[in-house]
Amino acid sequence: GAVVSQHPSWVICKSGTSVKIECRSLDFQATTMFWYRQFPKQSLMLMATSNEGSKATYEQGVEKDKFLINHASLTLSTLTVTSAHPEDSSFYICSARSPGTSEAFFGQGTRLTVV
Amino acid sequence: AQSVTQLDSQVPVFEEAPVELRCNYSSSVSVYLFWYVQYPNQGLQLLLKYLSGSTLVKGINGFEAEFNKSQTSFHLRKPSVHISDTAEYFCAVTGGEGAQKLVFGQGTRLTINP
Repeated sequence: GAVVSQHPSWVICKSGTSVKIECRSLDFQATTMFWYRQFPKQSLMLMATSNEGSKATYEQGVEKDKFLINHASLTLSTLTVTSAHPEDSSFYICSARSPGTSEAFFGQGTRLTVV
Repeated sequence: AQSVTQLDSQVPVFEEAPVELRCNYSSSVSVYLFWYVQYPNQGLQLLLKYLSGSTLVKGINGFEAEFNKSQTSFHLRKPSVHISDTAEYFCAVTGGEGAQKLVFGQGTRLTINP
């Protein structure tokens, strides 16, 4: 199947700094990518839908100024957690859907720890 | 809108025993259904999917699932589990062709005991 690469796999940052997470579709063009957040022992919560060349669509309750999403090309979407705080510590996962298919492919996830 | 309910948060099973992980969904439109597996600190890997056609779907690692429209269920089964099947399993639904958003169930933690 198609491959989605997410980087970094883990990051530790100081409170107040910003962190960027990259999500790349390696062997297909993804017009749409999705960003999820997962708390320990819980399900995936969709944060936003990222569309290439346009603004992301955020789910209710997700702060768009806090979680900046950029989808500048058909193979790359980035999530920037701005002015991170300890409560932003979580596992973030991206996914991308290959055009014309029903399946979404997931990145490996990024473990963010804010200290 | 769609929703998914995984009825068991944890399922402990002995090695080589059969297992069934339950999933029920609700939707006002036709759906596509998926089962994903997540190993610790990793992303999700697709086990199998139902789009249309035969209601019995076979996936990777010996898993299969049966789509039951009347009961709005998509239970996952494996006749004989292995220690390596220990993981978190997620059922997910999307609203058919053209729909984009995947809605996940709460997850079921499958623990295989020797």
